[in-house]
Amino acid sequence: EAQVTQNPRYLITVTGKKLTVTCSQNMNHEYMSWYRQDPGLGLRQIYYSMNVEVTDKGDVPEGYKVSRKEKRNFPLILESPSPNQTSLYFCATYGGAGQPQHFGDGTRLSIL
Amino acid sequence: AQKITQTQPGMFVQEKEAVTLDCTYDTSDQSYGLFWYKQPSSGEMIFLIYQGSYDEQNATEGRYSLNFQKARKSANLVISASQLGDSAMYFCAMREAQLGNQFYFGTGTSLTVIP
Repeated sequence: EAQVTQNPRYLITVTGKKLTVTCSQNMNHEYMSWYRQDPGLGLRQIYYSMNVEVTDKGDVPEGYKVSRKEKRNFPLILESPSPNQTSLYFCATYGGAGQPQHFGDGTRLSIL
Repeated sequence: AQKITQTQPGMFVQEKEAVTLDCTYDTSDQSYGLFWYKQPSSGEMIFLIYQGSYDEQNATEGRYSLNFQKARKSANLVISASQLGDSAMYFCAMREAQLGNQFYFGTGTSLTVIP
C-alpha cells in the first residue's frame, strides 16, 4: 500500500527547542515536499526536493531546514522553533506529470 | 500576484443538488497541471481530480468534473448530486512544469451540504 508516514502526529514544545518531523515514503517517488497549513491561508510549500541531495525553497522557507540523504526520507527540521511556526504540517510525494501528490496524515505542532 | 485564487470562502448546497467551486490561476507557463483536493474535518488530504494544460477534454472522476476554461484561466470543480459526506474544505492547486517545480494551493472553499 502506498504510504507517506509522518511522525510525530502531534507535538507541543517550547520556543527554541530543536525538533525534527520525519517523513518517509514507500512509493519510490523522486519528488517530496513539505507544506504548512494555516487557517485562511491554505497550504504553503516550505521546501521541496526533486531527488537525493537536491532541495529547493518554497514560498515560506524561513526558520526551517530539510535534508534529503535517502530517496525515501525527507525530514523537516526546526532548529529554533518560535510560536509563529505553530501550524499543521504535511509531507507529500509526487510521482510525476498527471499523477496526484500523496500526502501524509499531517503533524500538528504547537510551539509555546 | 496569487497563483491560485479561490474566491468562495464558504458555500452551502442542498443534498442531491450540484455545486460549482471556483478556481482561477495565474501562470505564463504553457505546461501545467491543475488539481483539486478535499480535506474533511479529520484533516487528511484526498485527491479528487487532475487536469493537464494540454488536455482537450474536461476531466471527470465519478461525481466530480473539472470545468477547464484555459483562456479564462479557470478550473472550476463541479460536484454533482451532493452528498452529506461532501461537506469538507476543497483546495485547488497548480504545478508549473517548466517555470519551476513548486506546487501552489488556493486558500480553500468550505462546502457544507444541507440535508
